[in-house]
Amino acid sequence: NAGVMQNPRHLVRRRGQEARLRCSPMKGHSHVYWYRQLPEEGLKFMVYLQKENIIDESGMPKERFSAEFPKEGPSILRIQQVVRGDSAAYFCASSPRDTTNYGYTFGSGTRLTVV
Amino acid sequence: KNQVEQSPQSLIILEGKNCTLQCNYTVSPFSNLRWYKQDTGRGPVSLTIMTFSENTKSNGRYTATLDADTKQSSLHITASQLSDSASYICVVSMANQAGTALIFGKGTTLSVSS
Repeated sequence: NAGVMQNPRHLVRRRGQEARLRCSPMKGHSHVYWYRQLPEEGLKFMVYLQKENIIDESGMPKERFSAEFPKEGPSILRIQQVVRGDSAAYFCASSPRDTTNYGYTFGSGTRLTVV
Repeated sequence: KNQVEQSPQSLIILEGKNCTLQCNYTVSPFSNLRWYKQDTGRGPVSLTIMTFSENTKSNGRYTATLDADTKQSSLHITASQLSDSASYICVVSMANQAGTALIFGKGTTLSVSS
């Protein structure tokens, strides 16, 4: 079991470009969560998805950010027209079921730098 | 407001010494409390998870305590090793919720020196 796989590990984008971050959950996990971590800050929830469904996107900015978890393939966090403030570490976690009773497994994150 | 506060913000100790990290929370309704270890450049890794009825839980040299009445938790590290240098994050889970259920503290950065 390879764990939660995120790629790329590091991503550099110029202002105005698009960033695509990928997350493959652990085998058997159908729940995916995205978090953002700014320097010196705690992880902040962005979005919770199950296969083909967005369950909770209350933590995601309403503009430029979108997420999907298709029937086949990894979950994608997409940031359009990136700005310097989007520079952060983005972590994905997966779980087999409801998070209140089961611990998450985190990926190693994608560090996005906007120049 | 649901919050998790950790102290100290950072800590430096000598190898072999013990240390205790603190976590205070104001999260309701409470489901469980977790401690994670996050190495630099890596994702958080779970150390312990405690429900309302559990007062203490150990994982090797790590021992977590929970006082649900005062809404406080601590993580005690015994006989520290250089590999313990990391950020330790307290996370409180809210009951009956999914996506936004986990409230993260900012972490305590521990540096163990030889």
